[in-house]
Amino acid sequence: GAVVSQHPSWVICKSGTSVKIECRSLDFQATTMFWYRQFPKQSLMLMATSNEGSKATYEQGVEKDKFLINHASLTLSTLTVTSAHPEDSSFYICSAGWGTHSNQPQHFGDGTRLSIL
Amino acid sequence: AQSVTQPDIHITVSEGASLELRCNYSYGATPYLFWYVQSPGQGLQLLLKYFSGDTLVQGIKGFEAEFKRSQSSFNLRKPSVHWSDAAEYFCAVGDGGTYKYIFGTGTRLKVLA
Repeated sequence: GAVVSQHPSWVICKSGTSVKIECRSLDFQATTMFWYRQFPKQSLMLMATSNEGSKATYEQGVEKDKFLINHASLTLSTLTVTSAHPEDSSFYICSAGWGTHSNQPQHFGDGTRLSIL
Repeated sequence: AQSVTQPDIHITVSEGASLELRCNYSYGATPYLFWYVQSPGQGLQLLLKYFSGDTLVQGIKGFEAEFKRSQSSFNLRKPSVHWSDAAEYFCAVGDGGTYKYIFGTGTRLKVLA
């Protein structure tokens, strides 16, 4: 149980294009979803927290207009990297949980490796 | 402010040997603690969690962790390591007021045949 699917797993695109990453909870309703960014050999950096039907809460230093997050349903959240540039290349991971409090574990997707040429 | 420290960046053990990965946290109240494992190029898998109660927590894949409040530690252990355990291990503390995690910097485990 508690499976989170992330798609695509790998994307390569040209500089200036927009890229959409999907995060789906397959067997539970995700009240809350999180988007992380991970640089090589580093820990996860939380980008934003999204709750179904409301605007995402971004962490300090994360550009809201660059990283658009939509949490349209209890099973789907999307991250769109707009006008992507090489510095946006990274490993993006989503997680989901059915609670609103840390006493419920987050369940992670397998990540998306984004490479901007 | 809450924080998580994993003092060991890399650890190398021989297959069959015992393993202990260290995690220290700083948190004002009773923490929610987690250990996750990440294989290369993949997401994170939950190994075990501690919320309250018994301070020795059993997880998947033969792992266990012990919560020691006096030492602010939540070390992960396994009595006999398998080659498939080679991965990156992250300790995390849940921010009780929200649903956010604070992750440690991770420990990369290498297993020698």
